[in-house]
Amino acid sequence: NAGVTQTPKFQVLKTGQSMTLQCAQDMNHNSMYWYRQDPGMGLRLIYYSASEGTTDKGEVPNGYNVSRLNKREFSLRLESAAPSQTSVYFCATEQGFGQETQYFGPGTRLLVL
Amino acid sequence: RKEVEQDPGPFNVPEGATVAFNCTYSNSASQSFFWYRQDCRKEPKLLMSVYSSGNEDGRFTAQLNRASQYISLLIRDSKLSDSATYLCVVDNFNKFYFGSGTKLNVKP
Repeated sequence: NAGVTQTPKFQVLKTGQSMTLQCAQDMNHNSMYWYRQDPGMGLRLIYYSASEGTTDKGEVPNGYNVSRLNKREFSLRLESAAPSQTSVYFCATEQGFGQETQYFGPGTRLLVL
Repeated sequence: RKEVEQDPGPFNVPEGATVAFNCTYSNSASQSFFWYRQDCRKEPKLLMSVYSSGNEDGRFTAQLNRASQYISLLIRDSKLSDSATYLCVVDNFNKFYFGSGTKLNVKP
């Protein structure tokens, strides 16, 4: 079992370009999350999906959109990348919703020039 | 005010030492608490959950003090392999809030 996978591992974008970060899980978990991690700031929640078919904003959703394509996949889209979106992005999954262990993917390192 | 605050460290300790980290949280209604470990350039991984009565897992002991709104992690007999960043995580109404982490360096 791969657990939680993310693609790509690294990406360099120019300001204004768009891209989609992919996340997939084979753990049959209901909830999925997108976080960003910046130096000295900890992980911050961008968007989450408590169950298939639902998505909600987290702490820092501006500039991002998400799609919960099916139970396995949860993608994060940057429509017009900005240098402030340079970060490490982590996808996470959870069996239920809240109060349980979250399992993280290996992360995507994004640099926006 | 941040939801979760941690001393960033680094804590530099020799092998075999005992080291403790604290973490404070701002929302008194927080429901669940965790410690995650993050190695350099890797994803966070659950170290242990923190229960009201306190809990122990081998060399690691976690405590929760709801009255003062802090949680702690104690590591006994530190190993070189314990070198990492330790993230305090608080669950507020089904949303996880992460501290910025405390860096631990265990030296030979």
